[in-house]
Amino acid sequence: DQQVKQNSPSLSVQEGRISILNCDYTNSMFDYFLWYKKYPAEGPTFLISISSIKDKNEDGRFTVFLNKSAKHLSLHIVPSQPGDSAVYFCAARPRDSNYQLIWGAGTKLIIKP
Amino acid sequence: DADVTQTPRNRITKTGKRIMLECSQTKGHDRMYWYRQDPGLGLRLIYYSFDVKDINKGEISDGYSVSRQAQAKFSLSLESAIPNQTALYFCATSDRTRGNEQFFGPGTRLTVL
Repeated sequence: DQQVKQNSPSLSVQEGRISILNCDYTNSMFDYFLWYKKYPAEGPTFLISISSIKDKNEDGRFTVFLNKSAKHLSLHIVPSQPGDSAVYFCAARPRDSNYQLIWGAGTKLIIKP
Repeated sequence: DADVTQTPRNRITKTGKRIMLECSQTKGHDRMYWYRQDPGLGLRLIYYSFDVKDINKGEISDGYSVSRQAQAKFSLSLESAIPNQTALYFCATSDRTRGNEQFFGPGTRLTVL
């Protein structure tokens, strides 16, 4: 039973447009959420995070939105660039853990020229 | 130079063989982790270590063992490999003061025939 779900295995977006990646979770005890980006033959790298006490966090072209009532978070990339083509993982930390992350299956983002 | 390195990067072995995957880090982090990734699934935690004398089982530790030889080294062993251990294995590190953000190695692709 997956506690963190990324229901879109892939997403294709035109260069310059907005990319929106979605993540749903089932455990209301998650208090911290992270997005990681992964290129082929490399490990995941941290991108952006958000605490459950916030509903938005922004870092340059990347913004994460958290809707706790819907148990949903999304990553917005504006504008999308070719280098953004990668697999994006959503991860969540349980409130009673200072190390454990529960991971989604990932969404492959393809930026078309 | 990479902060988190894994050896080997690729390995093909046969059922019943013992195999060791190695991880080294130069980040000076005290915490280290081993994950596996399977197609369509997120990363799942196998073992984690908060320091040399503190090793803990993760979500899917059966069939695996680990050794923390030094703060910088954390190895994963499959005592008797089986085909369903075919997966992509990642080592990760984190700092105790910023435990949410984990830094990953490039991964080891293991195939058990």
